[in-house]
Amino acid sequence: DAKTTQPPSMDCAEGRAANLPCNHSTISGNEYVYWYRQIHSQGPQYIIHGLKNNETNEMASLIITEDRKSSTLILPHATLRDTAVYYCIGAREGGYQKVTFGTGTKLQVIP
Amino acid sequence: DAEITQSPRHKITETGRQVTLACHQTWNHNNMFWYRQDLGHGLRLIHYSYGVQDTNKGEVSDGYSVSRSNTEDLPLTLESAASSQTSVYFCASSDLGGLAANEQFFGPGTRLTVL
Repeated sequence: DAKTTQPPSMDCAEGRAANLPCNHSTISGNEYVYWYRQIHSQGPQYIIHGLKNNETNEMASLIITEDRKSSTLILPHATLRDTAVYYCIGAREGGYQKVTFGTGTKLQVIP
Repeated sequence: DAEITQSPRHKITETGRQVTLACHQTWNHNNMFWYRQDLGHGLRLIHYSYGVQDTNKGEVSDGYSVSRSNTEDLPLTLESAASSQTSVYFCASSDLGGLAANEQFFGPGTRLTVL
């Protein structure tokens, strides 16, 4: 699985867009980028994933650079409930291959 | 609604005792996983299973064992609890294969303290 690098922490004003970067320069061609988040004391929650096209769902948007070496998770209108640790993960299709969650980015949404 | 549950939610035990943490899911998922989470380490994989009678070691499997006798349950056993195993333990499950295999659903966690 690809090694990913994320900033340890970020702040975002409530109501503004939160842009969380992830570097995955070693990602292979068949690895997808997955994002999870973990709200304090809860189990992680799946957010979104993508291969090379930008993706959007009801929770967030995922922008993947053309060279696939980095991506950005966008929460369009951050709320206080979005305060969490966000994990970026690289994983291949077809089952579990020792995915590594790492330490993620702690996003603090400020009122 | 389908869900994944863990029990107990909190457990205090003594060094050397055998401890079993339960994980039960009602999604009929084939894949199940156990992680531990410690400050500064993120989530680390302990064991995982792709189906009944299948178990595999993760990156921190020493001192832990699992068994998969049915689809719904993957109990995690600490053979002889050590203080280094004080942690929060998360169970997760995911669907059979393809992209869905990496969309994991997590339980609420079990906080284990070994004295």
